Amino acid sequence: GENVEQHPSTLSVQEGDSAVIKCTYSDSASNYFPWYKQELGKRPQLIIDIRSNVGEKKDQRIAVTLNKTAKHFSLHITETQPEDSAVYFCAASTHGQNFVFGPGTRLSVLP
Amino acid sequence: GAGVSQSPSNKVTEKGKDVELRCDPISGHTALYWYRQRLGQGLEFLIYFQGNSAPDKSGLPSDRFSAERTGESVSTLTIQRTQQEDSAVYLCASSPAGQGRRGYTFGSGTRLTVV
Repeated sequence: GENVEQHPSTLSVQEGDSAVIKCTYSDSASNYFPWYKQELGKRPQLIIDIRSNVGEKKDQRIAVTLNKTAKHFSLHITETQPEDSAVYFCAASTHGQNFVFGPGTRLSVLP
Repeated sequence: GAGVSQSPSNKVTEKGKDVELRCDPISGHTALYWYRQRLGQGLEFLIYFQGNSAPDKSGLPSDRFSAERTGESVSTLTIQRTQQEDSAVYLCASSPAGQGRRGYTFGSGTRLTVV
């Protein structure tokens, strides 16, 4: 079955700097890769996603890149703000069903 | 409804008691998932329902855990003879599923505390 790894487990950056979180997956059949943000005590929420027919996608300060050959994808947050502090989970799935989540990255943005 | 609804939001139970957690998915979402999240930990898959297909129960940690879903409606997760290690937030998510769809929508979770 699918296995998703995520690094780093914790990340601290200064406000205004960029943050990058990387995930790898094992199943070459996976074709949909969402990212979730979970603030303390709240539910995970979808922030951006990418499909295997696209190499990069941007939404304001957030971008995701996908390398199908290497089976890895990354989340990039630019101009980080304190409200970006949260746990971020990547996931991989085939046709949007039964996602496998990474273990999460705790991002702290220091003022 | 507008979102995934879970009840109760909090449950404190004594060790050895049975508990039942409820999830009401978004109308029309054929797929429903249960996850467990221990304090400060990741999302642990428990069970997945897709329409009328047999559920994927591969994540259930023991035979004390069971879940049901009738058609594409409400699901209940039952934990029998609760143990302290069952203390966690239990998250439900639903999805339209199928190619071209977008992600899960999570409920707010049920925080279970076994004392």
